[in-house]
Amino acid sequence: DAGITQSPRYKITETGRQVTLMCHQTWSHSYMFWYRQDLGHGLRLIYYSAAADITDKGEVPDGYVVSRSKTENFPLTLESATRSQTSVYFCASRTGLNTEAFFGQGTRLTVV
Amino acid sequence: DAKTTQPTSMDCAEGRAANLPCNHSTISGNEYVYWYRQIHSQGPQYIIHGLKNNETNEMASLIITEDRKSSTLILPHATLRDTAVYYCIVLSPNTGNQFYFGTGTSLTVIP
Repeated sequence: DAGITQSPRYKITETGRQVTLMCHQTWSHSYMFWYRQDLGHGLRLIYYSAAADITDKGEVPDGYVVSRSKTENFPLTLESATRSQTSVYFCASRTGLNTEAFFGQGTRLTVV
Repeated sequence: DAKTTQPTSMDCAEGRAANLPCNHSTISGNEYVYWYRQIHSQGPQYIIHGLKNNETNEMASLIITEDRKSSTLILPHATLRDTAVYYCIVLSPNTGNQFYFGTGTSLTVIP
């Protein structure tokens, strides 16, 4: 299906474990983004990528690692999950910096 | 970077127009105003954007004041499915043209 998809939709992991959230888009958009949204708050930018092999930090990058070896994929890794990383994570993509962004349906991550 | 101010919450009767205001008094000439909405923790959905002129699409209209210091998103005939949090965002080169979301306006459409 065309669009942007995130997997898994729900994940429970233990403190200290490594976990990777996947994001895949079929539009060949140059830009991809990861946001987190905590209860009662707006979305906060974690990392973004302007193209394959180009990534940059957003507002809240600590504790996260990203990679972009292919244009269509932008995985987000929590190297050692902490309870404070319990959140809903949204991936997004855009064609350019003055265009609208399209968001995935989110991954609800719980760290216990 | 241009900050935005929106009311925390609003109600609107079903079938009536919903007018959602946004203040962006420090906006610069080359910064766009974007509107998104988020329905019940789904991914944010793009609605509309504009620079200077008023814009209309199948979802909504965007009215930007002549001095560009404020704008209004208009949903012409609100339905229950329009109940959502609406975000007004100024896209600024000063912040890398990234979408920075505030807390938005929680719109409740009342039957």
